[in-house]
Amino acid sequence: DAKTTQPTSMDCAEGRAANLPCNHSTISGNEYVYWYRQIHSQGPQYIIHGLKNNETNEMASLIITEDRKSSTLILPHATLRDTAVYYCIVKAAGNKLTFGGGTRVLVKP
Amino acid sequence: EADIYQTPRYLVIGTGKKITLECSQTMGHDKMYWYQQDPGMELHLIHYSYGVNSTEKGDLSSESTVSRIRTEHFPLTLESARPSHTSQYLCASGLAGGLPETQYFGPGTRLLVL
Repeated sequence: DAKTTQPTSMDCAEGRAANLPCNHSTISGNEYVYWYRQIHSQGPQYIIHGLKNNETNEMASLIITEDRKSSTLILPHATLRDTAVYYCIVKAAGNKLTFGGGTRVLVKP
Repeated sequence: EADIYQTPRYLVIGTGKKITLECSQTMGHDKMYWYQQDPGMELHLIHYSYGVNSTEKGDLSSESTVSRIRTEHFPLTLESARPSHTSQYLCASGLAGGLPETQYFGPGTRLLVL
């Protein structure tokens, strides 16, 4: 599976949109982009995934560049409860998830 | 809402004891996983199963063992606990097949071996 690069940490203001970038320049055509998050002391939580089209659900939006070498997870209105570590994972269907360091997001009042 | 359960949530035990961490899911998922995570560190896959009577070792070597006798149940056992086993253990499950897989995680078991 392709390697991903994420910023180590970022802050965002409560009520504002949080844009979390992820680079995956070696992504293959059959690999999906997944996002999970882990709130302190809890098990990771699935957020969203996509292949090449932008995706939106009740939690977030996923924007994938046309060349698929990078993506951005958007939390439209960050709340204090969105403070967590966010993991961007690239993998083919059927392969196992590999968690890296993720981005520590701190939502500030 | 994912229905995956882990017990106990917290366990403090002495060195040399045998322990079993329980994980159960009611979603009928074929795939189940165990991850290990030290505080502030990355998750590492230690065991997985793609169905009944199927178990495999993960990316991180572990002295624990697992079994999968029933679809819904995937217990992890340490025959002789040591302080180096102190960690958080997270169980997850997902659907089999070639479609993009969403894994659902349990709340985790925090193990402290004295």
